This record gives sequence, structure tokens and C-alpha cells, in this order.
Amino acid sequence: GAGVSQSPSNKVTEKGKDVELRCDPISGHTALYWYRQSLGQGLEFLIYFQGNSAPDKSGLPSDRFSAERTGGSVSTLTIQRTQQEDSAVYLCASSLGRGSNQPQHFGDGTRLSIL
Amino acid sequence: DAKTTQPPSMDCAEGRAANLPCNHSTISGNEYVYWYRQIHSQGPQYIIHGLKNNETNEMASLIITEDRKSSTLILPHATLRDTAVYYCIVASPGTYKYIFGTGTRLKVLA
Repeated sequence: GAGVSQSPSNKVTEKGKDVELRCDPISGHTALYWYRQSLGQGLEFLIYFQGNSAPDKSGLPSDRFSAERTGGSVSTLTIQRTQQEDSAVYLCASSLGRGSNQPQHFGDGTRLSIL
Repeated sequence: DAKTTQPPSMDCAEGRAANLPCNHSTISGNEYVYWYRQIHSQGPQYIIHGLKNNETNEMASLIITEDRKSSTLILPHATLRDTAVYYCIVASPGTYKYIFGTGTRLKVLA
């Protein structure tokens, strides 16, 4: 079956531009997560969606970052007025539910480079 | 802060078993142990998880000590494609923010 799909796989943009990153979770997965991985660093949690509940946005680093999940499926992470420190790999994951017995399955990420 | 401690690197001969240790001495009774790996330029790949009992799937085996303070991931017959960074994670009930430590960089040698 299809795994988590992210697009684009690579994105290069100029400082100050807005970018949109897309995530298609595994079909039937109600929970969706965004993480960020900077070069040589661990994963940094950004945001979490579970069904129709209000998302947990506690990991978003600034108000330039926002995310939506439409129809309980596809999610878009938007970064406005990009800065060079936003350069990283943005990873999306999904799981069947929220419980600790539900593994998160990751996509291959979007590698974002800000010039 | 990561709740786990892993050796930074290990080597394993191709075809031999790779045994990757993880220390999680502060684990609570209802916390699961998860293992992931990350191959260069790919997202983390789920391998296996367990609570108390040993677990086995098509990829690996997970051995959890009786006191649950440590575990070992076993790749029974390592191949060159198993070269990756392996992460051990402790997940609390209701916690969905995985905390990845620095992991173990496994190199499988021909």
C-alpha cells in the first residue's frame, strides 16, 4: 500500500518568499504530524492533527508558520516570508490514532533551501 | 530531552546479526519502546515496538529486559542496505511528540 507522500521533494526559494509543503497521509490514518529536521540535528515537532479536534500547534517556531488539514486527509504546511534559518527537511507522519501503541509512519520529507 | 541512551556508532559484518542496545532506565510502566531507522535522504522508517514482551516481525526482533530499563534491537542477518542511523524512542500514552535522540549509526561492512 502507499505510504506517506510529500511534495515537493525539494524546494529552493529566495529569502522572503512564501512556500507551501504538502502531505498526503496513509489512507485511513486519522492522526497527522509535521516535524522539522535541520542538518545533523534530531527531529523537532511542529504540529499535530487528530480527526476533527483542534490541532496542537505548540511546536510551530513562529507565526510565519501555519498548517491546515482539509477533509481530515491532505495537509499543507505554509511558511511565510521565509528566512535562511527555515532551511531544513520538513517531515510529515501519520498514524492510525493517537495512542502510544500506534506507530507513526513518515514520508521522505521536503528538503527546503532558502537562498 | 531524550529519555534514551544509545552508543553513537557500531559496525557489523554483512550476514552477521546486528545487536543495537538502548538504555531507558527511567521508563514508566505504560510507556512503549519504539525503534526507527533513517537511511540517508529518507524519512525515519518504523521498525518495531513493544511494551513488555519480546517482539519479532519481518524486519527485526526486539528484546526488552525484565525490568524494562533497557532493550536490544536485533537485525538477524545484516545487509549493506541496513546501514543507517537507528533510533530508540520511549513513547508515553497520549504523547505524540516523538523525541529522537542522536541514535546509533550502524555501518554494515562487506
